[in-house]
Amino acid sequence: DSGVTQTPKHLITATGQRVTLRCSPRSGDLSVYWYQQSLDQGLQFLIQYYNGEERAKGNILERFSAQQFPDLHSELNLSSLELGDSALYFCASGRAGGSDTQYFGPGTRLTVL
Amino acid sequence: QKEVEQDPGPLSVPEGAIVSLNCTYSNSAFQYFMWYRQYSRKGPELLMYTYSSGNKEDGRFTAQVDKSSKYISLFIRDSQPSDSATYLCAIRAGGGNKLTFGTGTQLKVEL
Repeated sequence: DSGVTQTPKHLITATGQRVTLRCSPRSGDLSVYWYQQSLDQGLQFLIQYYNGEERAKGNILERFSAQQFPDLHSELNLSSLELGDSALYFCASGRAGGSDTQYFGPGTRLTVL
Repeated sequence: QKEVEQDPGPLSVPEGAIVSLNCTYSNSAFQYFMWYRQYSRKGPELLMYTYSSGNKEDGRFTAQVDKSSKYISLFIRDSQPSDSATYLCAIRAGGGNKLTFGTGTQLKVEL
């Protein structure tokens, strides 16, 4: 158990809908990273927040957004969902804002029908 | 060309075998090298972390980095059925935040 929690474990929804994925980092960690894992693309970095502020951005679509709250939990919002958004979404947490070790949560499996 | 290349396997070995898993990368800015293990439907779990060329050993696992060749390896000695998982290499540039992952190698250790 990495100490990172993610809810929900599974999410099934329809195209065009909006969903919110939640992540709580390990105790003491200030950074949250979001990744998408699909069969064809592998594990892709989406975005990082550090202590409430966006720190780095990767291959995140404009339909996706994230935020980190004062209690350091983070939410990833996915809107106007498409079939291709079906994937595993992981968050990872790290102690600092830069080159630190990232510990992954168990993931949320999103299925868009 | 992908920044990190990894043979997807699957790789099947008998119990007790030495397993060699490899990745190559193209960007000289990459300075930090990690290996993650991912069981089916679980999150990646950090196995090894290194930032220099050479070998790093932890129990049955040895990580090897050759920066001149842009080549990293993970060796598993005395492999066990519980080692059956997907192994992902992950690389990061110095001072950067983003991890770039290989596609993962699926390993099966058979009794």
